[in-house]
Amino acid sequence: EADIYQTPRYLVIGTGKKITLECSQTMGHDKMYWYQQDPGMELHLIHYSYGVNSTEKGDLSSESTVSRIRTEHFPLTLESARPSHTSQYLCASSDPGTAYEQYFGPGTRLTVT
Amino acid sequence: GQNIDQPTEMTATEGAIVQINCTYQTSGFNGLFWYQQHAGEAPTFLSYNVLDGLEEKGRFSSFLSRSKGYSYLLLKELQMKDSASYLCAVTSSNTGKLIFGQGTTLQVKP
Repeated sequence: EADIYQTPRYLVIGTGKKITLECSQTMGHDKMYWYQQDPGMELHLIHYSYGVNSTEKGDLSSESTVSRIRTEHFPLTLESARPSHTSQYLCASSDPGTAYEQYFGPGTRLTVT
Repeated sequence: GQNIDQPTEMTATEGAIVQINCTYQTSGFNGLFWYQQHAGEAPTFLSYNVLDGLEEKGRFSSFLSRSKGYSYLLLKELQMKDSASYLCAVTSSNTGKLIFGQGTTLQVKP
């Protein structure tokens, strides 16, 4: 069973606040990903990492930033939250040994008021 | 460029069989995944195809034709709990990045 965790699960925050969404996995996967998904819409890759100190922007432009200081930890930060950032954020990791099957965390539903 | 197409919505009856199609165009191809996503939840893995043909796993089967850029997910003996969104995704290189389609929302009716 996949072990990937995200906190918080739900967050309501005011405009202008700095927030960090946490993601951690205990499977030792090198590759990790952040997706953004609006209700009823498709998943968009916003950040990914192939290992420690490796981060890349995804296919959808995002004002968020990420860091990868430890293999198991891949936090996403918004320096100044805006209502347009309201969305669900899903973290995932993958292992090339399983043909890159991605294991998803439960997601963080962010609402910026 | 990369493009994945699947129907937006489908409706089927409990106990029936439903086929969800997916066509794709990618600059390279390394495999095709199907994920299931219930409303408000994270996607969960259903199947993976890298070679042409049919992969069967219980009530779910997935088919791939690489020459046609085409896949389908077949769900048999539909149950109410199968009501969900079904996501087709392709890996276009050896990077492990997945490109997702918009998903097909399946509604199973009694």
